[in-house]
Amino acid sequence: RKEVEQDPGPFNVPEGATVAFNCTYSNSASQSFFWYRQDCRKEPKLLMSVYSSGNEDGRFTAQLNRASQYISLLIRDSKLSDSATYLCVVNPLSGGSYIPTFGRGTSLIVHP
Amino acid sequence: NAGVTQTPKFRILKIGQSMTLQCAQDMNHNYMYWYRQDPGMGLKLIYYSVGAGITDKGEVPNGYNVSRSTTEDFPLRLELAAPSQTSVYFCASSYSKGQGTDTQYFGPGTRLTVL
Repeated sequence: RKEVEQDPGPFNVPEGATVAFNCTYSNSASQSFFWYRQDCRKEPKLLMSVYSSGNEDGRFTAQLNRASQYISLLIRDSKLSDSATYLCVVNPLSGGSYIPTFGRGTSLIVHP
Repeated sequence: NAGVTQTPKFRILKIGQSMTLQCAQDMNHNYMYWYRQDPGMGLKLIYYSVGAGITDKGEVPNGYNVSRSTTEDFPLRLELAAPSQTSVYFCASSYSKGQGTDTQYFGPGTRLTVL
C-alpha cells in the first residue's frame, strides 16, 4: 500500500458545484497533514493545514479522520480559478525528522 | 525576500553528462528538500537536509548527490545523466521546530530533459 493515496481524477465539475477529495495514508504515526495546490507547470503552494478538529478557510474545508486514516478537502461554490491539482501531504516521523510525503494529486477542472 | 530560487529553469543534457541544479533560499530556513515530479505524478523526495552539513537520502536518491555547506544553498548534482532522470525538479525549504507542522516553500522548478 502506498504511503499516501489519492484519486488522480480528473474531477470535472461546473461552476458553483461542491466537490470533495479524499486522501488516505498508511502511517498511523503521522502527525501533521496538509493540502497543497499546484497549477499547471507551476510549483506547489500551501492551500491549508489540516487540524484534528477540522478547519475552514472561506469556501475550503479540510477534515481529518485518524481512525480511518484519511483527510478530506471540500470546495464549495467552485470557481473557474479553482482548476488545479490538489496534493495531499502527510508528515510521518522518519529517522527522527518529520519528512513530507506527497500523494500524486487530484486534478480538478471547473467548467463554465 | 526572493524566497526559494532555482537555476537553471530549463536544461537539455546528453546521456552521460553531468550538471548541478542550484537552489537558494533567503528565509533562514533550516530544512531544505529536493523533489522530482514526473508527468502526472506526485513529488518524490530525492534528498533532504535538516541543517548545514547534514543531508539524508529520500525515496529516490540513486544517481544524485547533494551538499549543504551553508544554510542558504542546497545544490543537487546529477552524475552521468540518464533518460530516466528527465523530470521537473523542485527545491523546497521550511522552518522546522521538529514537530512536523512547518509549511514548505517551493522554488519555480527546473525542467530537465536527458536525450
